[in-house]
Amino acid sequence: QVQLQESGPGLVKPSQTLSLTCTVSGGSISSGSYYWSWIRQPAGKGLEWIGRIYTSGSTNYNPSLKSRVTISVDTSKNQFSLKLSSVTAADTAVYYCAREWLAMGHAFDIWGQGTMVTVSS
Amino acid sequence: DIQMTQSPSSLSASVGDRVTITCQASQDISNYLNWYQQKPGKAPKLLIYDASNLETGVPSRFSGSGSGTDFTFTISSLQPEDIATYYCQQYDNLLRTFGQGTKVEIK
Repeated sequence: QVQLQESGPGLVKPSQTLSLTCTVSGGSISSGSYYWSWIRQPAGKGLEWIGRIYTSGSTNYNPSLKSRVTISVDTSKNQFSLKLSSVTAADTAVYYCAREWLAMGHAFDIWGQGTMVTVSS
Repeated sequence: DIQMTQSPSSLSASVGDRVTITCQASQDISNYLNWYQQKPGKAPKLLIYDASNLETGVPSRFSGSGSGTDFTFTISSLQPEDIATYYCQQYDNLLRTFGQGTKVEIK
């Protein structure tokens, strides 16, 4: 079955750019039935949707983060990526990648296990 | 932006109890509402989509209802393995928004 796996540095310095990759296995990221999203969760807090990308490269971002976020897709590697610039301690969180199934309520039906990113000098 | 107000923020109930969580949208979102369960240290798990449809493999004691602005999530008979935080999530527009979460504990 389809699985998602986040990867990237666990520690990022303030003002630098956070970069994460989500690798999709067991299925094709090029399927037209899904969007591919990034969601984050600070320790002890709720979930915040960061943005999503379609296989075509079309993106939508959370307005609160839009000026700092770039999501891209590499269909040849079956991966999509997140870049968040000018990070501060407020960006410290567990970052999840997730699949959004268009035919099923646009629900996030498959999630990665999450990766903890700490912003600290 | 559509705001989701979820309540209560936490609750304590006994095994076998009926548990109800509500989620209110700041504007009409039709049935564009999903529910997730998150256990400590784990990724969220989809339980209900389109307000009332049970995801495959999810026990039938979980259910959802509502449309427009008011939604309800119910556990008909609370089990020890249901201890978790539950989130609603709307998808009415290009922005996906989660409720603040409801932590469910055993009394």
